[in-house]
Amino acid sequence: TQLLEQSPQFLSIQEGENLTVYCNSSSVFSSLQWYRQEPGEGPVLLVTVVTGGEVKKLKRLTFQFGDARKDSSLHITAAQPGDTGLYLCAGARWETSGSRLTFGEGTQLTVNP
Amino acid sequence: NAGVTQTPKFQVLKTGQSMTLQCAQDMNHNSMYWYRQDPGMGLRLIYYSASEGTTDKGEVPNGYNVSRLNKREFSLRLESAAPSQTSVYFCASKPGTSLPSSGNTIYFGEGSWLTVV
Repeated sequence: TQLLEQSPQFLSIQEGENLTVYCNSSSVFSSLQWYRQEPGEGPVLLVTVVTGGEVKKLKRLTFQFGDARKDSSLHITAAQPGDTGLYLCAGARWETSGSRLTFGEGTQLTVNP
Repeated sequence: NAGVTQTPKFQVLKTGQSMTLQCAQDMNHNSMYWYRQDPGMGLRLIYYSASEGTTDKGEVPNGYNVSRLNKREFSLRLESAAPSQTSVYFCASKPGTSLPSSGNTIYFGEGSWLTVV
């Protein structure tokens, strides 16, 4: 059972289009992170959101954390081929033995020129 | 800057063979992690070490063992490899033991591709 569900799993769009990726859970997280991963490499952190309702912008990328801290979205404006990659959300929770990240399945984005 | 270094990068094993994946970080981080990544499954936590001297099971620990050799190194061992363990394995580290945050970022290695035939 996946604790964090991402949708869509695959997205293929044309350059210049807008898109939104969703990350949903029935669990509350202390924070939520978004990563981008390119082929043959490990994930690289894009952003961390901590407060319910928080919105963060990173150039053409807008990240939002749900009010209840159970869901998040990533919106890309005017997508470019360089945005192509696997986008992963990850929720952080505190366990008695330390903090842990739980990842969603990922959204494979392809932006065609 | 080396960051998180994993070896080997690629490995093919026969069912029943054993092997150890090595991981080292040069950032003086306290917490280290081993994940596996499979198509459509995202990254799943195998084991983690919140700090030197401690290790704990993650979501999918069966068939694996770990050793936090020192602060820098965290190895993952497959005692008797099975085809279900064919995957890409990622080691990661984080500065502190608290929750991931902007100041407590997780850094990943480049991955180790393991095939068990």
